[in-house]
Formats: sequence, structure tokens, C-alpha cells
Amino acid sequence: GAGVSQSPSNKVTEKGKDVELRCDPISGHTALYWYRQSLGQGLEFLIYFQGNSAPDKSGLPSDRFSAERTGGSVSTLTIQRTQQEDSAVYLCASSIRSSLYNSPLHFGNGTRLTVT
Amino acid sequence: AQTVTQSQPEMSVQEAETVTLSCTYDTSESDYYLFWYKQPPSRQMILVIRQEAYKQQNATENRFSVNFQKAAKSFSLKISDSQLGDAAMYFCAYRNGANSKLTFGKGITLSVRP
Repeated sequence: GAGVSQSPSNKVTEKGKDVELRCDPISGHTALYWYRQSLGQGLEFLIYFQGNSAPDKSGLPSDRFSAERTGGSVSTLTIQRTQQEDSAVYLCASSIRSSLYNSPLHFGNGTRLTVT
Repeated sequence: AQTVTQSQPEMSVQEAETVTLSCTYDTSESDYYLFWYKQPPSRQMILVIRQEAYKQQNATENRFSVNFQKAAKSFSLKISDSQLGDAAMYFCAYRNGANSKLTFGKGITLSVRP
């Protein structure tokens, strides 16, 4: 079946603009996660959804970052007034449900964001 | 807070040889899960192997196996009969029973010499 789909795959934006990154999880996966991967760094947790609610948004770096999920499916990560330090690969992942702690996360190919 | 440490930024192995990637973690929890993910240049993270902390037996998946030392909080990945396609970044990750998110190490870049 289809995997996790992210769009766009690459995004170049000017400093100060807003951007929206989209994630389509695997059908039936109720848990959805956003991570950020900066050059040479590991994956930094941003937020996770169970259904449409976000029990853990502790990783969002500032109030310029927000995310929503509708219909228990598609999620959008929005970055307002982008800064150069926001440049990174943003990865989305989904899993069957978060209460299955050994259920693996399935990742998309990420969106590479470049802020000029 | 839980932390995952991968102290080796890079490693290299000869094709067909065996290589071990190190990972240590810090937690006060007794119930948790450990994972190794592979990230090729395509950027997609691929699950390699997983281990439940309550299981004493080390997990194996074909050429991949782990050495899980719970007391030492160590979780190393052994790749046997290395292949060119194994070249990638490898991330160690931790998840406990009370928190859904995965916590990742900084990763290690593995190169395979033909």
C-alpha cells in the first residue's frame, strides 16, 4: 500500500514568509509525528497527534510553529515568518496507534526547507 | 529526560565484513523499546530492527542483530556480511511506555568499501 506522503519535497522561501508543509499518513494510522532534521543532526521531535488532538507539542521551537490535523488523516505544519535557522528537513511519520509502544514509525521522504 | 548517544559520527567497513555500531541511552524507566533506523540518501527512515527492554533475548533480522545490555544501557547494532546497499546513516532511537515519541541519537554515517 501507499506509504507516508509529504509535499512539497523541496521548498525554497524568503526569510519572513510563511510556509505550509503537508503530510498524508498511511491509511488507518491514527498516530502522526513531525520531526525536524538539521544538517548533521539527529531527528528533533516537534509534535505528535493521536487522531486530531495533539497530546504532546513540547518540541515546537517557538510560537511561529503550529500544526493541525483534520479528519484524523492529513496534517499541516505551518511556519510563520520563517527564519534562516528554520532551514532543515521536516519529516513526518505515522503509526498504527501510539499506545502500541513497540509499533514502528513509518516515515515519509521529508520536505527540505531552505530559507534564503 | 531520556537521551540517546551515538558517539561515533562515521564508520567504514569492507564489503562482506562485519561492523558494529554503538548506542547508549539514559533512562530511569524499566519498560521501554529500542530501535535502529536506516536513512539512505533518499531521506526516508527505514526500520532495521527493534528490541523490547523486557526481553532478554537479542533481536535479529537476517544480517542485522543487536547486543542489548540493559544494565549498561547499551544497544549496539551488528551488521554481518556488509553490502554496498548498507551504506547510509543509522539512527538509534528510544521510546518508553509512558511517552509515545521516539527520541533519536545524532546518527552515524556508515560507508561500505567495495
